[in-house]
Amino acid sequence: DAKTTQPNSMESNEEEPVHLPCNHSTISGTDYIHWYRQLPSQGPEYVIHGLTSNVNNRMASLAIAEDRKSSTLILHRATLRDAAVYYCILGALGRGYALNFGKGTSLLVTP
Amino acid sequence: DTGVSQNPRHKITKRGQNVTFRCDPISEHNRLYWYRQTLGQGPEFLTYFQNEAQLEKSRLLSDRFSAERPKGSFSTLEIQRTEQGDSAMYLCASRSSGNQETQYFGPGTRLLVL
Repeated sequence: DAKTTQPNSMESNEEEPVHLPCNHSTISGTDYIHWYRQLPSQGPEYVIHGLTSNVNNRMASLAIAEDRKSSTLILHRATLRDAAVYYCILGALGRGYALNFGKGTSLLVTP
Repeated sequence: DTGVSQNPRHKITKRGQNVTFRCDPISEHNRLYWYRQTLGQGPEFLTYFQNEAQLEKSRLLSDRFSAERPKGSFSTLEIQRTEQGDSAMYLCASRSSGNQETQYFGPGTRLLVL
């Protein structure tokens, strides 16, 4: 499986934008880029996904580099409820598109 | 609430005992996944079902582990002769068919083996 690299942790102030980076230099042409997050004591939840073009939804934006070897999840205004572990995952055709989680980035949001 | 549910939420057992967890997916979802998560790590894939068929199992799933989805609806994960190393959060997720569909996770079952 193609792997992703994320910083272990990041910190942000409340109501400021947060840019969470992810490197995936071995991504294949058909791999989608997925972002999930996991709040404390909960199961992971979907945030956003994309293939080549930048994507926006009500939770976040996903900016994908032109060569697709990196991407950035953007939270436009961080709130305390956004404190979570954020996982950048490449969709794998095998295993029925099971998610290949790494360790993710632990985001701390301070008031 | 029509999300994914898991029972029990917590389980404490003694080493050597058998335990069984249940997952009820979102009703129209035909794909169901089991993952295991240990402290400080991301979830790891264990197995998945398409309807009632178990299509793939991870090497993490030793012969003490068995999963079923008898009618293509709910699923059970059984661990026989539990070991302390089995202590973890067991997560279930479901999704509809089609490529790259979103997976919806349950709250997990936290297992502690003493």
